[in-house]
Amino acid sequence: GEDVEQSLFLSVREGDSSVINCTYTDSSSTYLYWYKQEPGAGLQLLTYIFSNMDMKQDQRLTVLLNKKDKHLSLRIADTQTGDSAIYFCAESSYSSASKIIFGSGTRLSIRP
Amino acid sequence: GAGVSQSPRYKVTKRGQDVALRCDPISGHVSLYWYRQALGQGPEFLTYFNYEAQQDKSGLPNDRFSAERPEGSISTLTIQRTEQRDSAMYRCASSRDSNTEAFFGQGTRLTVV
Repeated sequence: GEDVEQSLFLSVREGDSSVINCTYTDSSSTYLYWYKQEPGAGLQLLTYIFSNMDMKQDQRLTVLLNKKDKHLSLRIADTQTGDSAIYFCAESSYSSASKIIFGSGTRLSIRP
Repeated sequence: GAGVSQSPRYKVTKRGQDVALRCDPISGHVSLYWYRQALGQGPEFLTYFNYEAQQDKSGLPNDRFSAERPEGSISTLTIQRTEQRDSAMYRCASSRDSNTEAFFGQGTRLTVV
């Protein structure tokens, strides 16, 4: 079945770049997402990329997709304390766009 | 409303009791989703609706779980004869349609004791 894997923890220094990696198994994945979850809050869609793209940039966020290796990454430039959160990689397929498969989340912590 | 609203925010229930979790989607949103998130895990799809029709319930773990959206707006997820393993955060989301961004509510944390 579909599976999304990501590392559990990442610690970076304030001002450095953070890179969160994710791999997925479903070759029919059409949409790939990054969600952010802060304590006590709902899930927030940060950005998404279609499978026919290999890069998307939105202010401090850069998403890279290697479809051949089924590898997705999220780079956060100039990481700030407000970026501390759990980041979920997720995917859905064209035939089942409403059914989003999430990874277990990467907890990003920022050190001064 | 301004966002997806779920109630109650917290629910503690005894094993064997039934619980009903409510989701009030963003006004005008056609699609509504239910997810379950265990501690330390990502959300897991349960079911989704377009208007009042339940389009996919493949994620419901067993027949103790059911969901309805009778008037195409508010939805209720019901768990009968709760078990400890049902303890989790239950998240609802809604979207304008099934191909647009889903907005998540803050969730209901269910604890079965």
